[in-house]
Amino acid sequence: ELKVEQNPLFLSMQEGKNYTIYCNYSTTSDRLYWYRQDPGKSLESLFVLLSNGAVKQEGRLMASLDTKARLSTLHITAAVHDLSATYFCAVDPHTGNQFYFGTGTSLTVIP
Amino acid sequence: DVKVTQSSRYLVKRTGEKVFLECVQDMDHENMFWYRQDPGLGLRLIYFSYDVKMKEKGDIPEGYSVSREKKERFSLILESASTNQTSMYLCASRTINQPQHFGDGTRLSIL
Repeated sequence: ELKVEQNPLFLSMQEGKNYTIYCNYSTTSDRLYWYRQDPGKSLESLFVLLSNGAVKQEGRLMASLDTKARLSTLHITAAVHDLSATYFCAVDPHTGNQFYFGTGTSLTVIP
Repeated sequence: DVKVTQSSRYLVKRTGEKVFLECVQDMDHENMFWYRQDPGLGLRLIYFSYDVKMKEKGDIPEGYSVSREKKERFSLILESASTNQTSMYLCASRTINQPQHFGDGTRLSIL
């Protein structure tokens, strides 16, 4: 069974600081997605990574994919309060239509 | 923009009732999914469908069934609702090489 592990599960950081969320997965895949979920809301697509070495950036967030290491990172630069949310990675293993989601990282940015 | 519409944001039902959750997408996507989300357990796949009248069990299908009579509509059915099915239910759809697009979710309470 494919496993997707995110760490940390909980992250509390001060405004203005940088940090990285990690997503490790246990099978070969070159398709990985990042989502954001605000409290009480649904999941919103952030990044689509479709090849080894893919890097995408949007504002203070940057996502990358290393398929050889089976690792994706979501880097936060100079955090602001608006980034407080839960972030999920999801792996598409090419073996059917199912995605496999990580456990989520709950991020709180403190003023 | 992809639009995935779930019929209810909040629903309260009684134990033993048959419950229908409806999901409609407007982008002609082949694949549709039903998840439930519970605190500390992340997203768990209940069922998914890759074509009209086609379905596959996910990780937790017990106590649920699904119906996909038309491409745009995917229904989740709780045959005889129980209190342990109180949860947030999320519907999603996608096409190949694209992320899943989620509806707003249905918060279901079984009393």
